[in-house]
Amino acid sequence: DIVMTQSPDSLAVSLGERATISCKSSQSLFYSSNNKNYLAWYQQKPGQPPKLLIYWASTREFGVPDRFSGSGSGTDFTLTISSLQAEDVAVFYCQQYYSSPFTFGPGTKVDTK
Amino acid sequence: QVQLQESGPGLVKPSETLSLTCTVSGGSISGHFWSWIRQPPGKGLEWIGYKYYSGSTNYNPSLKSRVTMSVDKSRNQFSLRLSSVTAADTAVYYCSRWLDISGPSPPTIWGQGTLVTVSS
Repeated sequence: DIVMTQSPDSLAVSLGERATISCKSSQSLFYSSNNKNYLAWYQQKPGQPPKLLIYWASTREFGVPDRFSGSGSGTDFTLTISSLQAEDVAVFYCQQYYSSPFTFGPGTKVDTK
Repeated sequence: QVQLQESGPGLVKPSETLSLTCTVSGGSISGHFWSWIRQPPGKGLEWIGYKYYSGSTNYNPSLKSRVTMSVDKSRNQFSLRLSSVTAADTAVYYCSRWLDISGPSPPTIWGQGTLVTVSS
């Protein structure tokens, strides 16, 4: 299985400031035949299902605010919230869909300072 | 728009079989990949497996011997059966639909989830 790790476990950021979450995979998620990284990011608020934010490592899902961005390739990926809003408080997960089982990271809790 | 709704018993006894159904509304179950994902209370997400509407399945090896997924096109439903449950199977179970129809992609449409507790 591909093991996904995230850092930090939690972070507190002032409103309007940048939040950065790291995700690492135990093997490369880059598929050279289509030049894509099989990595997604989700946001989960209490009592709600996860919401897809980013796929193919950097493609924003329809309707997701542009303050959310994804970057990285291979085994190292980053989710950035450029200017944290109160409604962004949540747990964020990365997931690889390169090979089954499609494993998730342990999550990073983002709160306001 | 497409909506998913999980249903099934909220309480299952140890060693019995957990059975859940996901009803798809606002769209067809045909042409898509469907997944079950679970989340123990207060913990992270675990991918259970997926099924293509017309046949192929892929299960998490950690659960493979106990999992069966099926599709009922006539009822527009997607189902999960998990046998020989223990307390470790207590979780919120989510059904979901993949983003792409052509191959591996992340789930973009999710049900609200249903809590299943395993207890005698």
